[in-house]
Amino acid sequence: GAVVSQHPSRVICKSGTSVKIECRSLDFQATTMFWYRQFPKKSLMLMATSNEGSKATYEQGVEKDKFLINHASLTLSTLTVTSAHPEDSSFYICSASRETGPGQETQYFGPGTRLLVL
Amino acid sequence: LAKTTQPISMDSYEGQEVNITCSHNNIATNDYITWYQQFPSQGPRFIIQGYKTKVTNEVASLFIPADRKSSTLSLPRVSLSDTAVYYCLVGERYNFNKFYFGSGTKLNVKP
Repeated sequence: GAVVSQHPSRVICKSGTSVKIECRSLDFQATTMFWYRQFPKKSLMLMATSNEGSKATYEQGVEKDKFLINHASLTLSTLTVTSAHPEDSSFYICSASRETGPGQETQYFGPGTRLLVL
Repeated sequence: LAKTTQPISMDSYEGQEVNITCSHNNIATNDYITWYQQFPSQGPRFIIQGYKTKVTNEVASLFIPADRKSSTLSLPRVSLSDTAVYYCLVGERYNFNKFYFGSGTKLNVKP
């Protein structure tokens, strides 16, 4: 149990185009979903927190108009990189939070999406 | 800002027990401690989670002292495939259990 998927796993796009990445919790309903990005040999950086039916909360320094997040249901969140540029090339990872006990929640991560902007 | 501190790297040999310690001096009362494993170009994989004392599952043990200001992940009899980065994380319970990743510990298992 607790499987999170991402689609696509890899995407190459031209500069100026938009790219949508889907994150799904396959066998549970997620209380909250999160989006991270990771540069080579670096740690994960939290971009935003997403709750179903409400606006995402972005971390400081993350442009909300650049990285659009939609949380349509308890099992689906999407990240759209708008007008992508080469500096947006990165590894994007989502996670979904699941209640695993009284007052206890656990984050489960997706496999990641590699974005390359040419 | 990461709430945890871990050694940057550790070396071990196949078959040995590995203990990775993490400091989280400012852990709040309701926060849980969670450990993840990450291989290159993959999302982090959940290993174990605990609140206090000792937790054990099929892959690891987690030791948490009474003051909860640190924790130790114990991997029994590591193999080459355990070479990965290990992250210790404390979720902000009051704030959707957000994770702010530190550098993690790169474990190198040698034959």
